[in-house]
Amino acid sequence: TQLLEQSPQFLSIQEGENLTVYCNSSSVFSSLQWYRQEPGEGPVLLVTVVTGGEVKKLKRLTFQFGDARKDSSLHITAAQPGDTGLYLCAHGSGGGADGLTFGKGTHLIIQP
Amino acid sequence: KAGVTQTPRYLIKTRGQQVTLSCSPISGHRSVSWYQQTPGQGLQFLFEYFSETQRNKGNFPGRFSGRQFSNSRSEMNVSTLELGDSALYLCASRRKPDEQFFGPGTRLTVL
Repeated sequence: TQLLEQSPQFLSIQEGENLTVYCNSSSVFSSLQWYRQEPGEGPVLLVTVVTGGEVKKLKRLTFQFGDARKDSSLHITAAQPGDTGLYLCAHGSGGGADGLTFGKGTHLIIQP
Repeated sequence: KAGVTQTPRYLIKTRGQQVTLSCSPISGHRSVSWYQQTPGQGLQFLFEYFSETQRNKGNFPGRFSGRQFSNSRSEMNVSTLELGDSALYLCASRRKPDEQFFGPGTRLTVL
C-alpha cells in the first residue's frame, strides 16, 4: 500500500491569512487528487494533478505536484471561513478498480 | 443531474445486529465504491462494484459485504456489528478512473 502522509494534521488561522498544507509519500504516483470534506458531507473533488511540476489554480487555491510526483501541496491565499473543512489527498491505482487510498487529511479552521 | 444519494443518513444499532445501507449513484455511473471513515483510520476503501460484479475488496473482514443491482444501485451489509464498526460509511460513483463523486454518507453508531 502506498501511504500518503498529510501535514499539518490540524491548522487554525485567522481570515485573510495564507496557508499551505502538504501531502507526501515515498512512492511515485501517476496522479494525485485533492478533496475537501465539510462536516456531515462526503468529500468533494477539487483537482487532479497528473504531470510532475504541474501547478493548477482554483480561485484562491493553488495545487502543485512535485517534480518527482511523490508529493503535492495546496496553498490557500487570503483564507476565508468558507474554506474551513477537511482537506484530503488521495491516489488511485490508475485503473480505479482498487479504490482510492487517502491520507488522513488536514483539518482546517478559518476563524472570522 | 442529481448527485449520489445514500439512505439512511443516520443509524443506531446494537452490538451483534446487522445493518444494510443503500446507495444510488449518479445517473449513468456504473461503478459504485464504498468507504469507511473513522477518526482514527481515516477513509478506507471497502469494495467496488461494476455491472453487478465486485471488482475489488479492501482489507476488511467478511462481515462486510455488498451487492449491486442492474440499475447500478448498491447496498452494503455489515453483520454481527461490533463497537468498532461505528463510522461514516461513504458511497461514491464514477465514470472515469480516479474521479469519485461521493454521497453524504450514512453515520452508523453501534452501541
